[in-house]
Amino acid sequence: EVQLVESGGGLVQPGGSLRLSCAGSGFTFSTYWMYWVRQAPGQGLVWVSRIRGDGITISYADSVKGRFTISRDNARNTLYLQMNNLRAEDTALYYCARVGVGVSAVDIWGQGTMVTVSS
Amino acid sequence: QSALTQPPSASGSPGQSVAISCTGTSSDVGGYNYVSWYQQHPGKAPKLIIYEVTKRPSGVPDRFSGSKSGNTASLTVSGLQSEDEADYYCSSYVGSTDFYVFGTGTKVTVL
Repeated sequence: EVQLVESGGGLVQPGGSLRLSCAGSGFTFSTYWMYWVRQAPGQGLVWVSRIRGDGITISYADSVKGRFTISRDNARNTLYLQMNNLRAEDTALYYCARVGVGVSAVDIWGQGTMVTVSS
Repeated sequence: QSALTQPPSASGSPGQSVAISCTGTSSDVGGYNYVSWYQQHPGKAPKLIIYEVTKRPSGVPDRFSGSKSGNTASLTVSGLQSEDEADYYCSSYVGSTDFYVFGTGTKVTVL
């Protein structure tokens, strides 16, 4: 079964850091673009970051540039999101997502991990 | 990058059709055929229902269809069923940023 499982969310103070992880299984992880998408409570979806299968091409939303770093370890089939200098507005459910080959859209989503930034 | 514009809500009776618009610019929706649509039920992860403007992933009923005209894409749900009650989001590639943007989301209610 193709699956994505996120972990690492939690409560952190403003200015703090957190690292999210996403373990992929059931597919050849290294051949897929992987994304992070977030959704604040009661709000819409927002693309956060993406990384190509080989880890070379990376993109970020303007709102997280300079604070968040996406990376991947294809040997461990794991995607990461290092989040630094967190702000209250980063509070959201963070989804890990896979873009399908020949689909140009997210075909597999994780269940999400909640990040709460509050003092 | 501002979110694409969707109506906040749409509704229809069972068996009827409902159409949801997604308006962007020539830099996103109008410039590329990389518009996708996602369905999200409360407390669940989104689900892909349309990609590349008109294509349906396997397993998605043909009651769901997509189209595009100029800078506006549309999702039509025909033969509404109770399980279609959900939030729907469009998404488009943005050439100027080489990234993507979601729409504001539309809550569909089956009356």
